[in-house]
Amino acid sequence: KNEVEQSPQNLTAQEGEFITINCSYSVGISALHWLQQHPGGGIVSLFMLSSGKKKHGRLIATINIQEKHSSLHITASHPRDSAVYICAVYAGNMLTFGGGTRLMVKP
Amino acid sequence: EPEVTQTPSHQVTQMGQEVILRCVPISNHLYFYWYRQILGQKVEFLVSFYNNEISEKSEIFDDQFSVERPDGSNFTLKIRSTKLEDSAMYFCASSRQAPSGELFFGEGSRLTVL
Repeated sequence: KNEVEQSPQNLTAQEGEFITINCSYSVGISALHWLQQHPGGGIVSLFMLSSGKKKHGRLIATINIQEKHSSLHITASHPRDSAVYICAVYAGNMLTFGGGTRLMVKP
Repeated sequence: EPEVTQTPSHQVTQMGQEVILRCVPISNHLYFYWYRQILGQKVEFLVSFYNNEISEKSEIFDDQFSVERPDGSNFTLKIRSTKLEDSAMYFCASSRQAPSGELFFGEGSRLTVL
């Protein structure tokens, strides 16, 4: 059974800080998704990774397939980045989700 | 920008009643999914659907659940006889490719079973 663990579970940062959220998983995967869940509950896809690194604006996602680990970085964090960030891995034709990291960025 | 739409946004039902949750995926997408999130818990995979049939389902997706694509646009999740523990937010998602395609989620349908 694939286990997906995220750390930290909760994170409070000051505006402008560099933020890192980590995701570890236990089995081989074909892809990893980073998702953002807004306070209202809606889910938005941020990245889909199968190797290497991707960047979109202030967000950077990396994955190390050998170590079964991925990180999501937010540079120059802003209060509008406050949300739950979820890692989900695709293995065996289904997505398994982590428990999420609740991020609050204070002005 | 194309989006996945779900209806209803919130449904309250009595235990034992049938519920149908509706989704309209993005029109050129080929893969369709239902997920659920019980309040305060992780998002969980229910079922994936491709080429007019279920391609994968989780242990949660038992005989009480069914999915259908009745026409070229709608994708429905039916719960035949709801239980209290079916109370959750249900998300529909679609993608053009799997597993390498970006996932697009609907806003969710909140189901409350009394």
